[in-house]
Amino acid sequence: DAGVTQSPTHLIKTRGQQVTLRCSPKSGHDTVSWYQQALGQGPQFIFQYYEEEERQRGNFPDRFSGHQFPNYSSELNVNALLLGDSALYLCASSEGTSGRRDTQYFGPGTRLTVL
Amino acid sequence: AQSVAQPEDQVNVAEGNPLTVKCTYSVSGNPYLFWYVQYPNRGLQFLLKYITGDNLVKGSYGFEAEFNKSQTSFHLKKPSALVSDSALYFCAVRDINYSGGYQKVTFGIGTKLQVIP
Repeated sequence: DAGVTQSPTHLIKTRGQQVTLRCSPKSGHDTVSWYQQALGQGPQFIFQYYEEEERQRGNFPDRFSGHQFPNYSSELNVNALLLGDSALYLCASSEGTSGRRDTQYFGPGTRLTVL
Repeated sequence: AQSVAQPEDQVNVAEGNPLTVKCTYSVSGNPYLFWYVQYPNRGLQFLLKYITGDNLVKGSYGFEAEFNKSQTSFHLKKPSALVSDSALYFCAVRDINYSGGYQKVTFGIGTKLQVIP
């Protein structure tokens, strides 16, 4: 049973560019959350998708957007990249039923470097 | 607003000794509490959670955590540390009264555990 997978593993972009990160949830999970983890910090919640809709959003600008597909996989898009967007981006999935949704399982992350 | 505090940037312990990694939280209602571990260049691995019931929660790799409502704490413990336990540990909280029924999990900044051989 595959866990949460993310692609790519590493990415280097320049300021002003756009980037798309991808996540496939753990089998049986239908809820996907995205987090940004800057160096030396804890993960910061970006947003969460369930039933192909954004359900919650953290304190991130509109440059950060996402999508969830019918197969529950998800994308995180960041436009107009800034140097400060350099971080490890983590995807987490959980089951949609009440109670089980509480435990999130994380992927290995995508390391984004903005030059 | 909910928050998590991990007061120690780093904890050093000798192999075989008991270890404690501290966590305190703040929520408006009742908390769901979690501990995750992160190895270098890896994602977070779930260790254990407290939802309700027994205040002592047992998790993966011999770890346990004690929920203390009066002190708003959820300290991670292990009776005998291993060198392989050296990693970054994150405490996280979710307020179960959060409206809408969807998760918003808040993480602490992490505590680096160093187990010395």
